Amino acid sequence: RKEVEQDPGPFNVPEGATVAFNCTYSNSASQSFFWYRQDCRKEPKLLMSVYSSGNEDGRFTAQLNRASQYISLLIRDSKLSDSATYLCAPGDYGQNFVFGPGTRLSVLP
Amino acid sequence: DAGVTQSPTHLIKTRGQQVTLRCSPKSGHDTVSWYQQALGQGPQFIFQYYEEEERQRGNFPDRFSGHQFPNYSSELNVNALLLGDSALYLCASSLVAGERYTQYFGPGTRLTVL
Repeated sequence: RKEVEQDPGPFNVPEGATVAFNCTYSNSASQSFFWYRQDCRKEPKLLMSVYSSGNEDGRFTAQLNRASQYISLLIRDSKLSDSATYLCAPGDYGQNFVFGPGTRLSVLP
Repeated sequence: DAGVTQSPTHLIKTRGQQVTLRCSPKSGHDTVSWYQQALGQGPQFIFQYYEEEERQRGNFPDRFSGHQFPNYSSELNVNALLLGDSALYLCASSLVAGERYTQYFGPGTRLTVL
């Protein structure tokens, strides 16, 4: 099993839709979890951090299920500007981040 | 508040050559991590520097080496370049004692090996 697996995508959704991505991780020692968004040929930018059961920031909600070792990201009311690749990264106390392969989202007009 | 900076932006080398990439961390950060990102994949962890020492290392050969300076900036060196080393090299900085290990990325250096 790979350390971090994500929905392969791509997800093509219309503007205004709600979309959810899943990320599973194998390292049970992971303590902190991050979602990054990455635009084409740009660096990853931090979207959200998750330390307990979840986090919400405007249209974005992340939920963590430690028992099943997965994290989800929900985007409500999708905007064209949400089109990007979304990277999941569980981290441990050694600050060793293991990134998933990413899920590509295209929001269509 | 200066973010993470990297230089150069782009680099073209030939097989067998050596390359040095540079990174300056976000103001106030003391830890630098390097990642390699091939096209269509997530970033792969190369190594991490803290207090001028390599603290952790990913599954990369010894051709990949690094250094951290007293001002926390860092260099990544790759010797004997292979075609497969072509990738986006990302530097990320963080603070050991704060922000629960959140890492912030620089814009990256795109290396092409011919």
